[in-house]
Amino acid sequence: DIQMTQSPSSLSASVGDRVTITCRASQSISSYLNWYQQKPGKAPKLLIYAASSLQSGVPSRFSGSGSGTDFTLTISSLQPEDFATYYCQQSYSTPPSFGPGTKVDIK
Amino acid sequence: QITLKESGPTLVKPTQTLTLTCTFSGFSLSTSGVGVGWIRQPPGKALEWLALIYWDDDKRYSPSLKSRLTITKDTSKNQVVLTMTNMDPVDTATYYCAHRRGAGFGELDYWGQGTLVTVSS
Repeated sequence: DIQMTQSPSSLSASVGDRVTITCRASQSISSYLNWYQQKPGKAPKLLIYAASSLQSGVPSRFSGSGSGTDFTLTISSLQPEDFATYYCQQSYSTPPSFGPGTKVDIK
Repeated sequence: QITLKESGPTLVKPTQTLTLTCTFSGFSLSTSGVGVGWIRQPPGKALEWLALIYWDDDKRYSPSLKSRLTITKDTSKNQVVLTMTNMDPVDTATYYCAHRRGAGFGELDYWGQGTLVTVSS
């Protein structure tokens, strides 16, 4: 199985901050990397697929980059509605494992 | 508009079998590349992928749970069913079903609201 790690596990930030979350795969997954946002009590929401493609309807302040084993999710200017937990997921091989999540809360 | 909704028992006893149904609309599970998957999330913990069924009835399972899981589809009813045997309190979680986009990189672009299943005697 491919193991996914994320850093940091949590962070505190202010509205307007630039936020970067890192995801690492235990082996190369090419660009088969997706990012999800989850708010408390809600289902995850797809933000980024194929490492850098923005899902329809997702604000352009979200962006993704990387390939191989190292990936990043960047929020260019954090908004109040962005406080949530973010998960990466590899879809290169079965099982398409998720990372442990990064919780973004208000400083 | 794609929607999915999970249904099933909210409480099961240890050793019992859990049966969950995902009823969907807005897409066909006969379309090439499309799949429906199940993911769970224990309270306060991370997401765990469980199983997925493709349009052509190809089935994939989490290796750690494969012996306990069965996924099936009823295309005419727009439903996917997941069964999990020998339930244990550690299986207490919110269970989600999700749509896997056909022409993509395996991303799950639509999710159900989830259903909380508690395992307790």
